[in-house]
Amino acid sequence: QVQLQESGPGLVKPSETLSLTCAVSGYSISIGYSWGWIRQPPGKGLEWIGSIYHTGSTYYNPPLKSRVTISVDTSKNQFSLRLSSVTAADTAVYYCARHLQGGVAAGASPWGQGTLVTVSS
Amino acid sequence: QSVLTQPPSASGTPGQRVTISCSGSSSNIGSNTVSWYQQLPGTAPKLLIYSNNQRPSGVPDRFSGSKSGTSASLAISGLQSEDEADYYCAAWDVSLNGPYVFGSGTKVTVL
Repeated sequence: QVQLQESGPGLVKPSETLSLTCAVSGYSISIGYSWGWIRQPPGKGLEWIGSIYHTGSTYYNPPLKSRVTISVDTSKNQFSLRLSSVTAADTAVYYCARHLQGGVAAGASPWGQGTLVTVSS
Repeated sequence: QSVLTQPPSASGTPGQRVTISCSGSSSNIGSNTVSWYQQLPGTAPKLLIYSNNQRPSGVPDRFSGSKSGTSASLAISGLQSEDEADYYCAAWDVSLNGPYVFGSGTKVTVL
């Protein structure tokens, strides 16, 4: 059974870089699938941030592309998100997820439980 | 403002059938498959439907999805109290090589 768990600071200062990690258990991310990050501002809807294929190819949401980096560490079986120059608008619950066999467009399951990141000084 | 449009709310009594619509365009729903997610209060979203009408293992057959042209629908038949949640549609948008877009979300209330 594949499980994902997000971790990282819950509080980030404006203009700094948000860094989160998603630890994967029950499956080796080097084998296949694509892995993504999605966020949800408090009381609002879902927003896809970006995804990375096991080959290393990345796809980012255009409005965030200039600030986002997603990478994979196969030795630790985890993937990471870095979002630079954060503002209060980046305050959200951040989820990691595995996409289905068809890639990002196919859907995502399972998801991690999510971690709240607040941007504030 | 979401690229995929959903009604903000829907409701029904136990046992009723509720339908949620998701309206998009030729660059997203019209070109790619649709997924649906259920988000129970305080929890992470869960995949409910993929490839327009396929249910992952463990999802009750009370949930069904369909797609026609640039619109999609999620139907919940035999509504149960535990179905009270937010529901989101999603699809890949081919413009600008993405993104994966979500609908605005529909809150289903069981009366």
